[in-house]
Amino acid sequence: ETGVTQTPRHLVMGMTNKKSLKCEQHLGHNAMYWYKQSAKKPLELMFVYNFKEQTENNSVPSRFSPECPNSSHLFLHLHTLQPEDSALYLCASSQEGASSYEQYFGPGTRLTVT
Amino acid sequence: GQNIDQPTEMTATEGAIVQINCTYQTSGFNGLFWYQQHAGEAPTFLSYNVLDGLEEKGRFSSFLSRSKGYSYLLLKELQMKDSASYLCAVMDSNYQLIWGAGTKLIIKP
Repeated sequence: ETGVTQTPRHLVMGMTNKKSLKCEQHLGHNAMYWYKQSAKKPLELMFVYNFKEQTENNSVPSRFSPECPNSSHLFLHLHTLQPEDSALYLCASSQEGASSYEQYFGPGTRLTVT
Repeated sequence: GQNIDQPTEMTATEGAIVQINCTYQTSGFNGLFWYQQHAGEAPTFLSYNVLDGLEEKGRFSSFLSRSKGYSYLLLKELQMKDSASYLCAVMDSNYQLIWGAGTKLIIKP
């Protein structure tokens, strides 16, 4: 399998549930990202990991908790979410220090909070 | 604050040419990216400009003017499969991408 994969592709959860999103990259990259994409809004960067260390947390509510066990895997743990958290959650990876810093995206998880 | 502006939606005809503009105001500049995103799919990389001028890649070209804070994506010989959203993003001084809201391009026969 190549590129960036995400599971599940679709998720419906209640506000009291706990769930996790998974991302895996097969590109040998050293940086991984979580983005939130809402309709007609710019991509919002949530978290950045470089070499498994979190280097960015853009004022994301604590109900979102990232985990990066190694440079190939990234998780986003969700608990007590709100309806406004419904969105497409995209994972991306890149090679820090590369000439173009191009980010490669996974297909996303469409999250609906009921 | 940091800001990326691009039109919300554009319509063009199959076989024609369309130019999608992007203006930006960011803290620092380390390059400008264009991505294509089909509905329900991941954004895919189209182009990267870090120096002024035109970069051509097949039917797609991207232009950058750093002094004007301006870029455009030019799509030639439009095909129906080019119907998608086109995202402009600027890498700031912290090497973080600042994204525009995207331009939805509708291609009509």
